[in-house]
Amino acid sequence: AQSVAQPEDQVNVAEGNPLTVKCTYSVSGNPYLFWYVQYPNRGLQFLLKYITGDNLVKGSYGFEAEFNKSQTSFHLKKPSALVSDSALYFCAVSRGSTLGRLYFGRGTQLTVWP
Amino acid sequence: GAVVSQHPSWVICKSGTSVKIECRSLDFQATTMFWYRQFPKQSLMLMATSNEGSKATYEQGVEKDKFLINHASLTLSTLTVTSAHPEDSSFYICSAPKPGTRYNEQFFGPGTRLTVL
Repeated sequence: AQSVAQPEDQVNVAEGNPLTVKCTYSVSGNPYLFWYVQYPNRGLQFLLKYITGDNLVKGSYGFEAEFNKSQTSFHLKKPSALVSDSALYFCAVSRGSTLGRLYFGRGTQLTVWP
Repeated sequence: GAVVSQHPSWVICKSGTSVKIECRSLDFQATTMFWYRQFPKQSLMLMATSNEGSKATYEQGVEKDKFLINHASLTLSTLTVTSAHPEDSSFYICSAPKPGTRYNEQFFGPGTRLTVL
C-alpha cells in the first residue's frame, strides 16, 4: 500500500530563516513524489516533483526538495522563508503505473513570522 | 500548464436538497478525473475515480448513492451530492491527469466550498 507521512502538523519559522517541511513515504516500486501548496479556500498548486534523475529537485518560488531513497524521505526546503510562504503544504506520492492517482500526506501548516 | 475549472466555487443549500458540482478540463481531454474531499485543516481524501464512458470507482466507505458521479464527456465530470446534510459540508476538489505527460501529471481544480444548512 502507498502512504505518505508528514510528521509535523505545524511549522513556524521567522522570515529570512531557512525552512524545512518533512515528508516520508512508503510505496511499492519506484515512487513519483510531489509537493503541493494550498492557500485558504483554494485548490492545490504544484510546487515540484521528483520522477527520476537528480535527487535534488528545484521547484517554484525558490522551493527545493531532496529525494533520499534510503530514508524514503522527500523533505521540502527553502533557504530563506517569506511571510507569503505561509500556507498548507502537502506531500504526495504516486506509482507511475496508476494513472495519476495520488496519495497525500495530512498536510503541514507553515507559518512564517515577520 | 493545463487548466482545470470547477463550478460553482461555493454553494450554500438547504438540508435535503441536491447539489451538482462540475469539473472541467479546459485545454485537454481527460478520460479520468478524481474527486477529493477535504475537511478543515485536514488532508485530501480521495472519494472516487471518474471514468469517461463507464461507472465511477468509489473508495471504500464512500456512498455511491449519495455522491453520484457522471463523466459525461472527455472534458466534464460532475459530482452530485444527493439529499445533502450538514455533515456533507466540505471542500470538494477535482483533479485530472493530463495524458501524454510522462507521468500523467495531475492538475487540480480550484475547489468548491459546499455548506449545507
